[in-house]
Amino acid sequence: KQEVTQIPAALSVPEGENLVLNCSFTDSAIYNLQWFRQDPGKGLTSLLLIQSSQREQTSGRLNASLDKSSGRSTLYIAASQPGDSATYLCAADNYGQNFVFGPGTRLSVLP
Amino acid sequence: KAGVTQTPRYLIKTRGQQVTLSCSPISGHRSVSWYQQTPGQGLQFLFEYFSETQRNKGNFPGRFSGRQFSNSRSEMNVSTLELGDSALYLCASSFYMGSSYNEQFFGPGTRLTVL
Repeated sequence: KQEVTQIPAALSVPEGENLVLNCSFTDSAIYNLQWFRQDPGKGLTSLLLIQSSQREQTSGRLNASLDKSSGRSTLYIAASQPGDSATYLCAADNYGQNFVFGPGTRLSVLP
Repeated sequence: KAGVTQTPRYLIKTRGQQVTLSCSPISGHRSVSWYQQTPGQGLQFLFEYFSETQRNKGNFPGRFSGRQFSNSRSEMNVSTLELGDSALYLCASSFYMGSSYNEQFFGPGTRLTVL
């Protein structure tokens, strides 16, 4: 059974800093790993999808990497902005049946 | 292209009642998944439908059910509501769960409050 954890649970940084969010999963036989952001009380916004055959994906200031052998993914945010403040969730698929979500990292970027 | 829509956005019910939530996926997407999000348990998978068939189901009691129509729209129903059912219910659509490319797109959710 797939289990996903995220470290740290919360992070507060000053504007302009580069930061890394970590995601670990127990079963490396995944099809995909997806990163989302969630603003308070809202739905999830897809940030990046990494297919199992890929090692990383980039979108603007975001870069996500995937290391299946170690069961880890990282989300790198460059030059953080106050608008990046949100909860970031990673999700790994569970034998292709559904996605299993981590508990999230709550990010605060201070102006 | 329109995103995933969910109706209603907010619901207030009392214990023992039943409720039906609706989800319209992105055009062309045939897989619809439902998740429950609570502060204590996080995001938990309820079930997934593809081509009107429930393919996968999470660990929830039988009071939680769903269905999918031929146009891929999906509904979920919760009967005999309990206080613990208060949550944000999220719907996600994708092309096909289980493929190597299966980006999920989420709707805004339905906030259910059970009094």
